[in-house]
Amino acid sequence: GQQVMQIPQYQHVQEGEDFTTYCNSSTTLSNIQWYKQRPGGHPVFLIQLVKSGEVKKQKRLTFQFGEAKKNSSLHITATQTTDVGTYFCAGYMEYGNKLVFGAGTILRVKS
Amino acid sequence: DGGITQSPKYLFRKEGQNVTLSCEQNLNHDAMYWYRQDPGQGLRLIYYSQIVNDFQKGDIAEGYSVSREKKESFPLTVTSAQKNPTAFYLCASSIRDSAYEQYFGPGTRLTVT
Repeated sequence: GQQVMQIPQYQHVQEGEDFTTYCNSSTTLSNIQWYKQRPGGHPVFLIQLVKSGEVKKQKRLTFQFGEAKKNSSLHITATQTTDVGTYFCAGYMEYGNKLVFGAGTILRVKS
Repeated sequence: DGGITQSPKYLFRKEGQNVTLSCEQNLNHDAMYWYRQDPGQGLRLIYYSQIVNDFQKGDIAEGYSVSREKKESFPLTVTSAQKNPTAFYLCASSIRDSAYEQYFGPGTRLTVT
C-alpha cells in the first residue's frame, strides 16, 4: 500500500546543534505537509510544499520537496529547547484523496 | 474563538462497553477526520467525511463507527468489537479535502481495562 517512511525515529541533540528529519514516499505525491506535535499536545500544521524542488523557510526551519516529489526534509538550524516535540510529514496522494502520515521523528534537545 | 473541541480529554471504560467520543468544529470546514495515535506509529486514519451524511472508511475502520448529521459534528463510537481500543484519538478538519492543511483537536485519551 501507499507508505510514507520517516527517519530517524528519534534524535537527541545538544542545544545549538542542527537537526534534520527525512521523508520518503513509495509513490509520487501531489503535496507534502509538515506538522509538529509538542509533548502532550496535538499536531499543528507547519507548512505545505507543492512544487517539485520547492524550498521554503520559516525562521530557523527549512523545508524541501524533492525533484521527483517523492521525498522531503525538514532542517532546523541551531535547535532550541522550544523545538522539542514530534515532527510528522504527511504526503497527499491525489489518487484516492489520501493523506498518509509518516511515523514521526521525536526531537529532544539538551540544554 | 474558532477551532475544534474534543471531549472528554481522558476517558476510562470497561472492556465490552461501547464509548462515543465527541468532536465539534466551528471553522465551517467541510471535511472532518478521525485518527488514532499509538506510540511510534504516527497517525492512522479511522474514518473521514467530506460532506454531511456521508463518510468513508480509513485504514483502520474495523471496530469503529461514525456519523455526520451536522457539518459541525463528527462523533466516533469505539465499539466492543475493537480489539485494542486503548489509544489517543485525534479529530481533525480541513476546509475541503485531504489536500488542505488539517486542524486538530486536543485529543481524547481512551483507556479500556
